[in-house]
Amino acid sequence: GDSVTQMEGPVTLSEEAFLTINCTYTATGYPSLFWYVQYPGEGLQLLLKATKADDKGSNKGFEATYRKETTSFHLEKGSVQVSDSAVYFCALRRTGFQKLVFGTGTRLLVSP
Amino acid sequence: DADVTQTPRNRITKTGKRIMLECSQTKGHDRMYWYRQDPGLGLRLIYYSFDVKDINKGEISDGYSVSRQAQAKFSLSLESAIPNQTALYFCATSELGTATNTGELFFGEGSRLTVL
Repeated sequence: GDSVTQMEGPVTLSEEAFLTINCTYTATGYPSLFWYVQYPGEGLQLLLKATKADDKGSNKGFEATYRKETTSFHLEKGSVQVSDSAVYFCALRRTGFQKLVFGTGTRLLVSP
Repeated sequence: DADVTQTPRNRITKTGKRIMLECSQTKGHDRMYWYRQDPGLGLRLIYYSFDVKDINKGEISDGYSVSRQAQAKFSLSLESAIPNQTALYFCATSELGTATNTGELFFGEGSRLTVL
């Protein structure tokens, strides 16, 4: 079945460091891919998305590129801030299906 | 006001008690979902509903039931709560996912349930 694998956390960085959170997926066909973010005490919210191979999603300085050849959708940010501390979830939705499949989440902790 | 509202936000109950978590939305979406979040396990789908007359089991529906009272309301019940149902529960809504609409989920702020 469809699945999403994320790197385990927590990821601990200093402010202004470069961030990469790895995400790989297994799915039939060409799924849409998503990154959701969960700030402390809040629900998840969509951070960025990509719908086809080589698409790059971007938002709030975060980027992720849909790599079909490596079945990956790694999240990157060039310079993290303390306010980026949150849990990040990678997810996929297979074309023609309506349910999202989530990874287990990666907690990011950014210190001043 | 939030587009997706969950009540209660926090609840502590005892084993064997009946608990209902309620969700209402102003997004106008037909599709509603209940997820459970546990540390290290991510989000797991409990039930989902694509319209008022459509209810479907998710991957972990045992011990839960749902009711779709209206397009805007979707409630989750635990008929006889047990300690391993202690978790953070999220309601979410979406539009139909199509070739041009990715069916983004919109989440409530969560209901934290503790079963003693």
